[in-house]
Amino acid sequence: KQEVTQIPAALSVPEGENLVLNCSFTDSAIYNLQWFRQDPGKGLTSLLLIQSSQREQTSGRLNASLDKSSGRSTLYIAASQPGDSATYLCAAWAGSYQLTFGKGTKLSVIP
Amino acid sequence: DTAVSQTPKYLVTQMGNDKSIKCEQNLGHDTMYWYKQDSKKFLKIMFSYNNKELIINETVPNRFSPKSPDKAHLNLHINSLELGDSAVYFCASSLGTGTAGANVLTFGAGSRLTVL
Repeated sequence: KQEVTQIPAALSVPEGENLVLNCSFTDSAIYNLQWFRQDPGKGLTSLLLIQSSQREQTSGRLNASLDKSSGRSTLYIAASQPGDSATYLCAAWAGSYQLTFGKGTKLSVIP
Repeated sequence: DTAVSQTPKYLVTQMGNDKSIKCEQNLGHDTMYWYKQDSKKFLKIMFSYNNKELIINETVPNRFSPKSPDKAHLNLHINSLELGDSAVYFCASSLGTGTAGANVLTFGAGSRLTVL
């Protein structure tokens, strides 16, 4: 059964810093890996989706990478801003019609 | 226009009661889901329907009964509510369940259920 782990559970950085969030998954037979953002009391917003055949995806200041062989994905955020403060969740799509989520990394960007 | 809408947003009720949460999507998606986010913020799938047919039913007590009258709606009915049912319940939808791109999920804002 797929398990997804995110490290660290929480991260606090000063504004302007570049940062990396880590995600690992146990079953490398995934179709894709998705990164979401969740703001307090809100739903999830899809940030990036990486297909299993891809190595990375970029959207603005965000870059997500995928290494299936090692079971890892990273989300790189460049020039962090206070508005980036949120919980970031990664989720792996395996063959059983479902996304398996990690527990998230709570990011705080200090002005 | 809200893509995936859930009602109610907040629900406070007594143990033993029966309650329902409704979900509607206007994206033309074929697949809908219910996820539960517990107090530790862990999101776990409960059910998934594809074109009104149940395709995922995780280990969920049979007090939880999903109903999909059409592919744009997936409602969740909970009987005999227990304290442990307190959580945020998220509805989501995707174009399909296949591989490329079809399974990008769009989530609703969540329904916070508190059982007293």
